[in-house]
Amino acid sequence: GENVEQHPSTLSVQEGDSAVIKCTYSDSASNYFPWYKQELGKRPQLIIDIRSNVGEKKDQRIAVTLNKTAKHFSLHITETQPEDSAVYFCAARFYKLIFGSGTRLLVRP
Amino acid sequence: DGGITQSPKYLFRKEGQNVTLSCEQNLNHDAMYWYRQDPGQGLRLIYYSQIVNDFQKGDIAEGYSVSREKKESFPLTVTSAQKNPTAFYLCASSTPPTEEQYFGPGTRLTVT
Repeated sequence: GENVEQHPSTLSVQEGDSAVIKCTYSDSASNYFPWYKQELGKRPQLIIDIRSNVGEKKDQRIAVTLNKTAKHFSLHITETQPEDSAVYFCAARFYKLIFGSGTRLLVRP
Repeated sequence: DGGITQSPKYLFRKEGQNVTLSCEQNLNHDAMYWYRQDPGQGLRLIYYSQIVNDFQKGDIAEGYSVSREKKESFPLTVTSAQKNPTAFYLCASSTPPTEEQYFGPGTRLTVT
């Protein structure tokens, strides 16, 4: 069945460094790839998304890249700040969203 | 606060009891979803509804039931048939053309 694998499960970086989270999806028909940020005890919130007709999208310190051939997409956070600490989920959608298992990002001051 | 609400925030039940979780949205969204989140895991889809009076099973529908009698409301019933109901339950909604799903604040259900 459809599956989204997300790595790493935990990521610790020094403030100011970059963080990269990678996801792989199984359904080649997937056409929408959102990334959600979830702070402890709160609801997931969309931070960036990309569609299958685009290879890269950037929004300030956040960027997402998509490689349709390899069925990979990645989240890049530059100049990380302590408030970036949270759990990040990738997802892929054809007719429904399939979520990755999440990455717990810790930004050390 | 996003226009989608869930109540209550915390819910405690005894094993063998059915319990209904509320989800209401005033975003005029067509589609609504229920997810279950367990510690260290992603969100797993329980049920979804794309229009009123219609809904489909997600990946883990066993032991759950839903209704969609109104566009604004999509309640989830956790039945006694659900083997391990203790979890964090998230409701979401969306509508075309945007595909962004807006999440409610969640209900943490504990069954003992």
